[in-house]
Amino acid sequence: AQSVSQHNHHVILSEAASLELGCNYSYGGTVNLFWYVQYPGQHLQLLLKYFSGDPLVKGIKGFEAEFIKSKFSFNLRKPSVQWSDTAEYFCAALQAAGNKLTFGGGTRVLVKP
Amino acid sequence: GAGVSQSPRYKVAKRGQDVALRCDPISGHVSLFWYQQALGQGPEFLTYFQNEAQLDKSGLPSDRFFAERPEGSVSTLKIQRTQQEDSAVYLCASSSGQGDYGYTFGSGTRLTVV
Repeated sequence: AQSVSQHNHHVILSEAASLELGCNYSYGGTVNLFWYVQYPGQHLQLLLKYFSGDPLVKGIKGFEAEFIKSKFSFNLRKPSVQWSDTAEYFCAALQAAGNKLTFGGGTRVLVKP
Repeated sequence: GAGVSQSPRYKVAKRGQDVALRCDPISGHVSLFWYQQALGQGPEFLTYFQNEAQLDKSGLPSDRFFAERPEGSVSTLKIQRTQQEDSAVYLCASSSGQGDYGYTFGSGTRLTVV
């Protein structure tokens, strides 16, 4: 069965620091990958997605993610975080021709002002 | 509507009580999904509809869980004889089903079973 794992459960950093959140998936076939963000009290929102093409994907709010097929990874990055990036971040995978997203356990990010 | 609407936002149920959770997807969205998110975990797939057809219910944890979407729009997730382990946030998502996979999630219903 497909699974998605996120290595860090909690990350605390200061404003202007760089952020990198790890994500690995287990499925060996063609897979579509996503990062979602959930701000406190709000619903899940799509940050970015990868289907094919350039493995470096740029999303909203200055986030980007790199798909490395050989490592089954899709890590999320942001060069300089802001206090407003405090949220929970979820990596998710979708098997090609499938319908259901498989989510990782999430990473809570706290940005200290 | 502009987004996916779920009601109620919060539900407290006594153990053994039946509950019904409602999801109003984005108008015209063909695909509708239910997910369960336990505290401190990522969302787990429950079931999937394409229009009124329930194409995948492999994630429903027991036969106490039942979902329907009779007219291909609003969906209801029903949980019978609730147990404490059913306490979670229940998320609904919809998509156009056009291959974009632009799932839009609702804010969820937080169910607490006491």
